[in-house]
Amino acid sequence: DAMVIQNPRYQVTQFGKPVTLSCSQTLNHNVMYWYQQKSSQAPKLLFHYYDKDFNNEADTPDNFQSRRPNTSFCFLDIRSPGLGDAAMYLCATSGLAGDDEQFFGPGTRLTVL
Amino acid sequence: GENVEQHPSTLSVQEGDSAVIKCTYSDSASNYFPWYKQELGKRPQLIIDIRSNVGEKKDQRIAVTLNKTAKHFSLHITETQPEDSAVYFCAASLNWANNLFFGTGTRLTVIP
Repeated sequence: DAMVIQNPRYQVTQFGKPVTLSCSQTLNHNVMYWYQQKSSQAPKLLFHYYDKDFNNEADTPDNFQSRRPNTSFCFLDIRSPGLGDAAMYLCATSGLAGDDEQFFGPGTRLTVL
Repeated sequence: GENVEQHPSTLSVQEGDSAVIKCTYSDSASNYFPWYKQELGKRPQLIIDIRSNVGEKKDQRIAVTLNKTAKHFSLHITETQPEDSAVYFCAASLNWANNLFFGTGTRLTVIP
């Protein structure tokens, strides 16, 4: 009964080689989020979509872009991955209210060589 | 913006003892406070949350208390079990916004 699905679960890329991570959901939630989580740290919000409205966190590097072609799918593009971008990337979804539970996907662990 | 501090960063307890994790927040407008449990290599999962119109909420062995005046909230786990071992994150947000501000996490180890 997968609700938030992320592919791939593990991604290896080379320094500077663009990479795309994907997220899909079966919950029909309006809001989708991308978080970056480095080892032993809290998840850090990169962006979120409130329906089609894109919200970029002020400190999210320009190297990170996102697309949401429809309600179910959301993509994270890293244009030129650096060694510092190696992390777990978590997708989450929620209803419209700020106090609706956020459901997290299993994450994609990105390794940059 | 909101700043959430969480203590302690690590906590070890004997099985059966209680564990308490504390968080403080800076934005008095924050009114939603969830707690997430993240086991090693797994996704964060909501275990309990509290809204600012209540001071305490309990769900079996887990309880959360909120002191709005002092801007702090705490997670209490009673009768701890080895499967409670995980990293716990507190968070704060406004119920009309979608930004969760996470604390830095507490690694709880329950020793059998």
